[in-house]
Amino acid sequence: DIEMTQSPSSLSASVGDRVTITCRASQNIDNDLNWYQQKSGKAPKFLIYRTSTLQSGVPSRFSGSGSGTDFTLTIGSLQPEDFATYYCQHAVTFGGGTKVEIK
Amino acid sequence: EVQLVESGGMLVQPGGSLTLSCAASGFTFRSYAMSWVRQTAGKGLEWVSGIGLSDSTYYADSVKGRFTVSRDNSKNMMYLHMNSLRAEDTAVFYCVKELSAGFIRWHFDLWGRGTLVTVSS
Repeated sequence: DIEMTQSPSSLSASVGDRVTITCRASQNIDNDLNWYQQKSGKAPKFLIYRTSTLQSGVPSRFSGSGSGTDFTLTIGSLQPEDFATYYCQHAVTFGGGTKVEIK
Repeated sequence: EVQLVESGGMLVQPGGSLTLSCAASGFTFRSYAMSWVRQTAGKGLEWVSGIGLSDSTYYADSVKGRFTVSRDNSKNMMYLHMNSLRAEDTAVFYCVKELSAGFIRWHFDLWGRGTLVTVSS
């Protein structure tokens, strides 16, 4: 089974900061990598699919990149509503999550 | 409005059974594969089961042989029948929809609010 490893598990950042979250697959997954955002007490929200395609309605400050085994989610300028936990996913496997907290 | 609404979660004893339901609205349900994803308290996300258009079914190893997924396209409903429940099945169960019509690609663009299943004596 393919394992998905996210880093860091948590980070502290300020509004306006550029934030990067990394996701590593245990084997080549081409570009089949999705990202979700989950706020406390809410269901996850679909952000990005196939590595870099933004879901409709997702702000352009979010971007995704990578291929093969190494992927990144970048928030260009962190906004107050972006404080949440972010998960990467390949097929049936989710990463462990990265919690973005206020510094 | 496009939405998914889960129901049926409750407290159940170890070894017991439970059926979860998912009511879909606002989209052509019969055209989309669907899945169940669960989340344990304070932990991450785990895909549990999926069902395709032709009733093809898929299960995580952790639930294979104990859980059964089904759908009723005439009622826009999906179900998860859970048997031999264990303490480690305690979780919020989410009903999720595929991004694109057709077969399962595991791109979950719509999530319900979830329903809590607690397995405890």
